[in-house]
Amino acid sequence: EAGVAQSPRYKIIEKRQSVAFWCNPISGHATLYWYQQILGQGPKLLIQFQNNGVVDDSQLPKDRFSAERLKGVDSTLKIQPAKLEDSAVYLCASSSQPLLGIGTQYFGPGTRLLVL
Amino acid sequence: DQQVKQNSPSLSVQEGRISILNCDYTNSMFDYFLWYKKYPAEGPTFLISISSIKDKNEDGRFTVFLNKSAKHLSLHIVPSQPGDSAVYFCAASEVISQFYFGTGTSLTVIP
Repeated sequence: EAGVAQSPRYKIIEKRQSVAFWCNPISGHATLYWYQQILGQGPKLLIQFQNNGVVDDSQLPKDRFSAERLKGVDSTLKIQPAKLEDSAVYLCASSSQPLLGIGTQYFGPGTRLLVL
Repeated sequence: DQQVKQNSPSLSVQEGRISILNCDYTNSMFDYFLWYKKYPAEGPTFLISISSIKDKNEDGRFTVFLNKSAKHLSLHIVPSQPGDSAVYFCAASEVISQFYFGTGTSLTVIP
């Protein structure tokens, strides 16, 4: 079974530029998560999708971050414009469990973003 | 506001000995807990979970203990192997809510 795919793996941009990350979850997984992991910290949830609907985006900085999950499969996370403090690893995860707060999340390898 | 804390950033253990990784949480409503292992340049990998109706869950060399009154859980690895060297994250949630992750503990198993 193929795992969660993410691209690109690395991205270096200058502040105020835009960047987009892509995630393809495990086939059949209805729930998709985007996490931000800053160096030395644990992953922090940005947004959670159930199929193509947003379940929780309370911690997404909506003035600069946006995410979508068209057709309930792939997802993109965009930052526009980027700030220095956005430098982090962006992790995508998926789960077959439809309920929040339980079940195993399978993580992709992450996209490491460096904002200069 | 860190709801899940791993107060030991690093731990070194001799091969064959027991590794004990600790995790504390502040939200008494948390009722589901997981441990993830993370190698460099990879995403976290699920290791073991426990729900609040249990105080112990075992899977091979890995055992998770939950002390609800102390709001504390621990992961025991016995015997430790060099391949266990990784960063370990604990995560906690209440049903119908998101998972909160700790800051991680870097385990080094010395051959």
